[in-house]
Amino acid sequence: GAVVSQHPSRVICKSGTSVKIECRSLDFQATTMFWYRQFPKKSLMLMATSNEGSKATYEQGVEKDKFLINHASLTLSTLTVTSAHPEDSSFYICSARGFGVGGSTSTDTQYFGPGTRLTVL
Amino acid sequence: EDQVTQSPEALRLQEGESSSLNCSYTVSGLRGLFWYRQDPGKGPEFLFTLYSAGEEKEKERLKATLTKKESFLHITAPKPEDSATYLCAVRSSNTGNQFYFGTGTSLTVIP
Repeated sequence: GAVVSQHPSRVICKSGTSVKIECRSLDFQATTMFWYRQFPKKSLMLMATSNEGSKATYEQGVEKDKFLINHASLTLSTLTVTSAHPEDSSFYICSARGFGVGGSTSTDTQYFGPGTRLTVL
Repeated sequence: EDQVTQSPEALRLQEGESSSLNCSYTVSGLRGLFWYRQDPGKGPEFLFTLYSAGEEKEKERLKATLTKKESFLHITAPKPEDSATYLCAVRSSNTGNQFYFGTGTSLTVIP
């Protein structure tokens, strides 16, 4: 139980284009999803928190117009990097917490997706 | 201000050489301490959740313990496949639903 998928796993795009990353909870309902960014050999940096059906809450310094987050259902959240630039190249990871995990109602733990490697040329 | 510090930053062990990783925390109202394992190029894999001092959790060669100031991840007789970065995170009354992550311990187990 508690499986979170991300798609795509890798993406290479040209500068100025937009890229959409999907995050899905496969076997539980995710009331809250989180988007992180991770630089090489660094820990996770929280970008934003989204609750199903609500607008995302962005961390200080994260441009909400550049990193568009949608959490339209209890199993899907998307992150769109708009007008991508080389400095947006990074490893993006989503996580989800919710209910119905393995038949339990545990809502505390965040379960992470496998990550998406974005390279902007 | 909530703080999470992990030590050591990196650890090299011989196969079979037991050791412990440390996660020290200073938070207002701990609402959970979480251990994850992360392999290169992958997302963190959940290991344990601890809520109160004195609590212990075990899984195969790993055992997590919690006091009021720190948590230890004990690795007994590690194998090369245990090589990974181990992250701890806390959730507190200040962070709400969010986690505050430490910087991780990179573990290498040499055959």
